[in-house]
Amino acid sequence: QKEVEQNSGPLSVPEGAIASLNCTYSDRGSQSFFWYRQYSGKSPELIMSIYSNGDKEDGRFTAQLNKASQYVSLLIRDSQPSDSATYLCAVNIPSGGSYIPTFGRGTSLIVHP
Amino acid sequence: ETGVTQSPTHLIKTRGQQVTLRCSSQSGHNTVSWYQQALGQGPQFIFQYYREEENGRGNFPPRFSGLQFPNYSSELNVNALELDDSALYLCASSHLDRESLDEQFFGPGTRLTVL
Repeated sequence: QKEVEQNSGPLSVPEGAIASLNCTYSDRGSQSFFWYRQYSGKSPELIMSIYSNGDKEDGRFTAQLNKASQYVSLLIRDSQPSDSATYLCAVNIPSGGSYIPTFGRGTSLIVHP
Repeated sequence: ETGVTQSPTHLIKTRGQQVTLRCSSQSGHNTVSWYQQALGQGPQFIFQYYREEENGRGNFPPRFSGLQFPNYSSELNVNALELDDSALYLCASSHLDRESLDEQFFGPGTRLTVL
């Protein structure tokens, strides 16, 4: 079982719609969760971190965490063509007193005009 | 505030050779992590250095080694290069001492091609 799972997509949404990106993780002891955006040929860019159950909003982005269900999601409101990218979910998985930052393979988002 | 920088941008090596990649962390950060990203995959954690000591390692063989210097810059060394080592190598910096600041900021990456 992969430790961090994402649907690879592509997820296609029209401009102005809400894009919903999902991620599940296997280790219940995980405490830190992150969403990154990666444009083709570029390095990942941090969008948001979330540490507690519930929602965290930053502009058009909302991260949602449900530790009981081992589920973290990212909502993008009013999606724009410039949001077209691969979205990476990352979880810090506990390991021997430290942690292993573990990424999913990413979900490709396409926002069409 | 200076961001994360990496050098070189691109590198071509042949199988069996050794390579050194370099990373300068963002100012104020004391932790550097290295990742390997193959095409179509998420970044895979190689190892992390905190205050000049290894602070966690992923599932990579010992021929992947690293260093962190007193100014928190870092090197990734790969010996006996294999064709499968061809990938984008990413460096990310963070500051572990501050609560909730294990957020990582990535450099632009080094594209390594092994022929």
